[in-house]
Amino acid sequence: QQQVKQSPQSLIVQKGGISIINCAYENTAFDYFPWYQQFPGKGPALLIAIRPDVSEKKEGRFTISFNKSAKQFSLHIMDSQPGDSATYFCAASMLNRDDKIIFGKGTRLHILP
Amino acid sequence: DTAVSQTPKYLVTQMGNDKSIKCEQNLGHDTMYWYKQDSKKFLKIMFSYNNKELIINETVPNRFSPKSPDKAHLNLHINSLELGDSAVYFCASSQWGRDEAFFGQGTRLTVV
Repeated sequence: QQQVKQSPQSLIVQKGGISIINCAYENTAFDYFPWYQQFPGKGPALLIAIRPDVSEKKEGRFTISFNKSAKQFSLHIMDSQPGDSATYFCAASMLNRDDKIIFGKGTRLHILP
Repeated sequence: DTAVSQTPKYLVTQMGNDKSIKCEQNLGHDTMYWYKQDSKKFLKIMFSYNNKELIINETVPNRFSPKSPDKAHLNLHINSLELGDSAVYFCASSQWGRDEAFFGQGTRLTVV
């Protein structure tokens, strides 16, 4: 049973456009929702994260929108750049319980120059 | 300088062999993990250790045996390697109850 569902699997966006990746979770005990960015040959790196007590978090061009009642959250990348081309993973975890990160299946994002 | 380092980066071996992957973190974290990333990029947790104690064992075959000699190290030993073990294995660390987990650069294991 997949606890974190991510879509789309792949995404192509023109430079300067908005990239949107969506995720849904099932377990209401999750209390931490990070997004990780992974470049080829590298490990995942934390991009931005949100706790369920806020509905939005913005860091530069990256924004997480969080809908607790719908159990959904999304990543918006504004003014997408070719350097943003990577695989993005949404994730969820229960801090102070088992701390394990449950990842979505990933979205391969390609920004056209 | 590297926060989480794994060795080796690449490992090619024959079926039936035994191999180990080493991981070290210099962040002072108390929790370390092993994740497996398959060919479709899916990341799945295998084990986690907190203060050298096994916390999570996600139904991984017992051919896989993690060992944590101290809080800064978590090694993974794999016996009787099978073709299906081919994947990228990531070590990660975090401070229990805090948010960010830091990942190593991965070990690409190829079993032939």
